[in-house]
Amino acid sequence: DAGVIQSPRHEVTEMGQEVTLRCKPISGHNSLFWYRQTMMRGLELLIYFNNNVPIDDSGMPEDRFSAKMPNASFSTLKIQPSEPRDSAVYFCASSLQGPTEAFFGQGTRLTVV
Amino acid sequence: GQQVMQIPQYQHVQEGEDFTTYCNSSTTLSNIQWYKQRPGGHPVFLIQLVKSGEVKKQKRLTFQFGEAKKNSSLHITATQTTDVGTYFCAGERQAGTALIFGKGTTLSVSS
Repeated sequence: DAGVIQSPRHEVTEMGQEVTLRCKPISGHNSLFWYRQTMMRGLELLIYFNNNVPIDDSGMPEDRFSAKMPNASFSTLKIQPSEPRDSAVYFCASSLQGPTEAFFGQGTRLTVV
Repeated sequence: GQQVMQIPQYQHVQEGEDFTTYCNSSTTLSNIQWYKQRPGGHPVFLIQLVKSGEVKKQKRLTFQFGEAKKNSSLHITATQTTDVGTYFCAGERQAGTALIFGKGTTLSVSS
């Protein structure tokens, strides 16, 4: 298995533009998580899906952020419009079931200028 | 809400010295997990502790879960340069909800 696959690996965009981050979880995993990592705030949970259904989205910063999981093998995190303070590394992780032994993707490093 | 605190934030040791990082939760945890992130990498799962007072070992790494299930520690014996990275503990916000990570302890090792 290739593990959790995220794309793109790096994204540089201008403030105000829409950004879409993509994630393919490990096949057979029922839970998917989006995290954001910065030096100041560490690893922050954004949203948690179980069986494609959002279970906990309390970490989504504001309405500019949205996440979808249309099927078991794909999820997106969209930021519209993007702002410089959104610059961070965004990780997607998946697990067999629930919040245990999460496998992280390589991350997407987002820079908003 | 639930917080998971880790100390120290940074630790530098000479190769061969021991290292310990501590994790404390404001609430009782159903379980605690430990992850390691190498510089420029992504978090990698190390272990999960579930039972009160549980101790698990992985080679030079020893993990403990407190009796009250509110704290945990990771101890590395005789550190090596390959141990460099940031060690995170993580607990569930509530049972069955997502993992909340501590800020991590960054370990540097000089030879």
